[in-house]
Amino acid sequence: DQQVKQNSPSLSVQEGRISILNCDYTNSMFDYFLWYKKYPAEGPTFLISISSIKDKNEDGRFTVFLNKSAKHLSLHIVPSQPGDSAVYFCAASAPASGTYKYIFGTGTRLKVLA
Amino acid sequence: NAGVTQTPKFRILKIGQSMTLQCAQDMNHNYMYWYRQDPGMGLKLIYYSVGAGITDKGEVPNGYNVSRSTTEDFPLRLELAAPSQTSVYFCASKGAETPYEQYFGPGTRLTVT
Repeated sequence: DQQVKQNSPSLSVQEGRISILNCDYTNSMFDYFLWYKKYPAEGPTFLISISSIKDKNEDGRFTVFLNKSAKHLSLHIVPSQPGDSAVYFCAASAPASGTYKYIFGTGTRLKVLA
Repeated sequence: NAGVTQTPKFRILKIGQSMTLQCAQDMNHNYMYWYRQDPGMGLKLIYYSVGAGITDKGEVPNGYNVSRSTTEDFPLRLELAAPSQTSVYFCASKGAETPYEQYFGPGTRLTVT
């Protein structure tokens, strides 16, 4: 049972345009969501997060949107740069329930074309 | 700070052999995690720990054991290695404050043949 799903294995975007990466979850207990970026042969690095009490969080070129009723979140990257080419994972957790386990999606490989 | 370190970077094991993957962090984080990543898949949680002396199973614990005798170290033990354990293993740690992000090590690539 995949509780966190990233249904697009890959995405190609032109440099300067917007990249939109999507993530769906099934467990309504999740109340904290994170996005990680991963380059080949490296560990994932944290990008941005959002609590379920918010519907949007921005950090520079990165914005995460949360739609709780649809159990859907998305990561927007504007403008996209070639250095953004990486695999992006979304992850969900339920810290309000006292648990700090993270469930990860399968990732979306983003390729930004120069 | 070195952050999260993992050793070794690469290892080839024969079926039935055992080994320990080492993980250490110098950020005084209470929470530590072990994940495996299979090709084309996300990260699956093997075991995690909320502090020294406390460990719990994740999604895929079978075939693995952990211990947490200190805050800094969280080794993962593979007993009787099987080809299904061929994967990339990541260790991570997390502090108690928001935004609750995990810090990951560089990974250990393990092949069991």
